[in-house]
Amino acid sequence: SQQGEEDPQALSIQEGENATMNCSYKTSINNLQWYRQNSGRGLVHLILIRSNEREKHSGRLRVTLDTSKKSSSLLITASRAADTASYFCATVHNQAGTALIFGKGTTLSVSS
Amino acid sequence: DAGVIQSPRHEVTEMGQEVTLRCKPISGHNSLFWYRQTMMRGLELLIYFNNNVPIDDSGMPEDRFSAKMPNASFSTLKIQPSEPRDSAVYFCASSLDNQAYGYTFGSGTRLTVV
Repeated sequence: SQQGEEDPQALSIQEGENATMNCSYKTSINNLQWYRQNSGRGLVHLILIRSNEREKHSGRLRVTLDTSKKSSSLLITASRAADTASYFCATVHNQAGTALIFGKGTTLSVSS
Repeated sequence: DAGVIQSPRHEVTEMGQEVTLRCKPISGHNSLFWYRQTMMRGLELLIYFNNNVPIDDSGMPEDRFSAKMPNASFSTLKIQPSEPRDSAVYFCASSLDNQAYGYTFGSGTRLTVV
């Protein structure tokens, strides 16, 4: 079963605009991760944020985590056509012996 | 490192046939994962191994599915007999461990059962 649920399911923006995707989850987590998947390819790890962190940056990516609301957001600033992809959040339960569980993803389309 | 290597990239087989998917994880990674991706169900964890030992196989759909990891550099996922509903993209991923690090995914095997 999915642990994380992304919102929106699909997002269309113009190059240069910012894209924000949200993720909600259900149970206590060890960390939350974001992945990108280009069409027909495997998933690529973008960023990991631990449960005791509130914000993390990587290049044009900014991830926030609110454990009280069980939610996270991924912000892509100054988007490019090459950012067109599906974005997934994934969570690891705060319990030994568990692995990443993925949401169904947000499909981002960036037009030039 | 060449990353996680999966083979074959594409597989078309007839219902009832045995299918074997292969995966070579990144050297030094202790955890290996098999996921299945479909439009309807998204990405589902099938099974994962830590140090070649299966830890959680609760996602394996039924007895027709089996997975092995005979050594640190090789894993297989076998479906016998295959059914049309098994059609999906199967991903293998590896990581330094199952919780604290990101996963590196292979390019996947697109399986079509006709």
